[in-house]
Amino acid sequence: KAGVTQTPRYLIKTRGQQVTLSCSPISGHRSVSWYQQTPGQGLQFLFEYFSETQRNKGNFPGRFSGRQFSNSRSEMNVSTLELGDSALYLCASSWTPGPYYEQYFGPGTRLTVT
Amino acid sequence: QKEVEQDPGPLSVPEGAIVSLNCTYSNSAFQYFMWYRQYSRKGPELLMYTYSSGNKEDGRFTAQVDKSSKYISLFIRDSQPSDSATYLCAMSTDSGGGADGLTFGKGTHLIIQP
Repeated sequence: KAGVTQTPRYLIKTRGQQVTLSCSPISGHRSVSWYQQTPGQGLQFLFEYFSETQRNKGNFPGRFSGRQFSNSRSEMNVSTLELGDSALYLCASSWTPGPYYEQYFGPGTRLTVT
Repeated sequence: QKEVEQDPGPLSVPEGAIVSLNCTYSNSAFQYFMWYRQYSRKGPELLMYTYSSGNKEDGRFTAQVDKSSKYISLFIRDSQPSDSATYLCAMSTDSGGGADGLTFGKGTHLIIQP
């Protein structure tokens, strides 16, 4: 069974630009969560989507947004990129917004902002 | 003060040694505690999942939670070079799908020397 896939794996952008990252969950999984991982702050929760609806959102500015499609694939968008947005962006999928032990992470997208 | 504190290491031990990894936390509302392993260029993989205080064992891994001291530990017995990775503790006030998501430590980089 294929795992969570994220595209692209690596991305370099310039300050002020915007970026869209994609996450395809495990087949049958309908819940997708996004996390940001940096050396300084560690792993931080961004938001969670289930059945095309955002259920929860972490403490991030409005420049960070996301959406989920009817096939459960999810995208996150960061507008007006800042240097501090350089990070590994991880998504995790599960059947429902249920127990964390049923949540599986993808390999992440490494975003570098110059 | 961060909600979850974890020594970033690196922690270097010889093969076969017992490894002790620890996290402290400040939020007494945390009830669910997890340990993840993250290899380079990979997403986190759930190792252990415990609820409230006590011990849980799974093969070479033992997780301990002491809620009175707000302290959690992961022990790895008979450590192997393949255990070399970053270990992240994570915790939550809910079992999954709640508003707060997971709160992670920054991770401890573990090196097992052959």
